[in-house]
Amino acid sequence: GENVEQHPSTLSVQEGDSAVIKCTYSDSASNYFPWYKQELGKRPQLIIDIRSNVGEKKDQRIAVTLNKTAKHFSLHITETQPEDSAVYFCAARAPSGGYNKLIFGAGTRLAVHP
Amino acid sequence: DVKVTQSSRYLVKRTGEKVFLECVQDMDHENMFWYRQDPGLGLRLIYFSYDVKMKEKGDIPEGYSVSREKKERFSLILESASTNQTSMYLCASRGRLAGGHHGELFFGEGSRLTVL
Repeated sequence: GENVEQHPSTLSVQEGDSAVIKCTYSDSASNYFPWYKQELGKRPQLIIDIRSNVGEKKDQRIAVTLNKTAKHFSLHITETQPEDSAVYFCAARAPSGGYNKLIFGAGTRLAVHP
Repeated sequence: DVKVTQSSRYLVKRTGEKVFLECVQDMDHENMFWYRQDPGLGLRLIYFSYDVKMKEKGDIPEGYSVSREKKERFSLILESASTNQTSMYLCASRGRLAGGHHGELFFGEGSRLTVL
């Protein structure tokens, strides 16, 4: 089955700096890669996603890149702000036994210091 | 706006008790999921359901069962709670994957279960 590894587990940056979180996946059949943000005490929410037929996608200060050959994808946050502080989860979806299961990474705790 | 509601935010149970965690969604979604969230382990899929009365095991189904009698409601059952089931439980729902729709998961607020 699919396995997703996420690094780093914690990341601390100064406000205004960039942050990069990296994930690798094992199943080459995976075709959808979302990123979820979970603020303290709140539910995870989708912030950006990318399909396997696209190499990069941007939405204001956040971007995701996908390298299918190497089976890794990354989240890039530019000009970080304190409200970006949260736990970020990457995920990969692969067909499995006729169903589409989303497998999550272990999460990255991002702290943005003013 | 999609709403996924979990019946209990915090529960404290004793070892051996039967525990019910309820989840209701209001968007007529076909698919519903139960995840368990533990520090350093991310979100792990326990069970999912793609239709009423249908269920499929996820990656860590041992010690759990589920029930989906109505489309909007998905229940997670711990037949005999154990201390290693102390965790945050997250319910999620998703619409049908079709027509280019990628299938965003909408999560509930979570139920933090402590088993003593």
